Amino acid sequence: NAGVMQNPRHLVRRRGQEARLRCSPMKGHSHVYWYRQLPEEGLKFMVYLQKENIIDESGMPKERFSAEFPKEGPSILRIQQVVRGDSAAYFCASSPSQDQPQHFGDGTRLSIL
Amino acid sequence: AQSVAQPEDQVNVAEGNPLTVKCTYSVSGNPYLFWYVQYPNRGLQFLLKYITGDNLVKGSYGFEAEFNKSQTSFHLKKPSALVSDSALYFCAVRRTGANNLFFGTGTRLTVIP
Repeated sequence: NAGVMQNPRHLVRRRGQEARLRCSPMKGHSHVYWYRQLPEEGLKFMVYLQKENIIDESGMPKERFSAEFPKEGPSILRIQQVVRGDSAAYFCASSPSQDQPQHFGDGTRLSIL
Repeated sequence: AQSVAQPEDQVNVAEGNPLTVKCTYSVSGNPYLFWYVQYPNRGLQFLLKYITGDNLVKGSYGFEAEFNKSQTSFHLKKPSALVSDSALYFCAVRRTGANNLFFGTGTRLTVIP
């Protein structure tokens, strides 16, 4: 049973470009969470989605960031017009239900030039 | 509001000695408590959780944690440390009804051969 798959593992973008981060949850998991980790810090919650629905986006910046989890395909975290401060590791987690532990992918490390 | 405190940024312990990584929390209602471990350039791996029941929770790789309601603590322990236990450890809390995990800032454990 494959774990949570994130790609790409590393992404380099120039300021003003768009970044798309993908997450395929574990088989049988319909709950997806995105977190951001700055160097030497803990993870900060961004958004929680179930299939085709955003349940909680209280941790998402108000502008430039969006997330989706379509009926078919992976969940996508999209960052438009990236800035240097967006440089971080972005982790996706999934769970079969809200009460079960979240299982994490290996993250996408985003670097902004 | 919810918060998690990991008071030690760094813990050093000799191989074979017992280890403790401290965590205290603040959350309204009954907490769901978790410990995760992170190896370099990897995602978080679930170690153990406390939802309800026995205060002593046993998890993966010989780790255990003790829930202490009066002290609002959930310290991670292992009777005999291994060099391979060296990693970054995160405590997390989720309050009942919430969607996301709230993480501490992490404790770097180094086991000295």
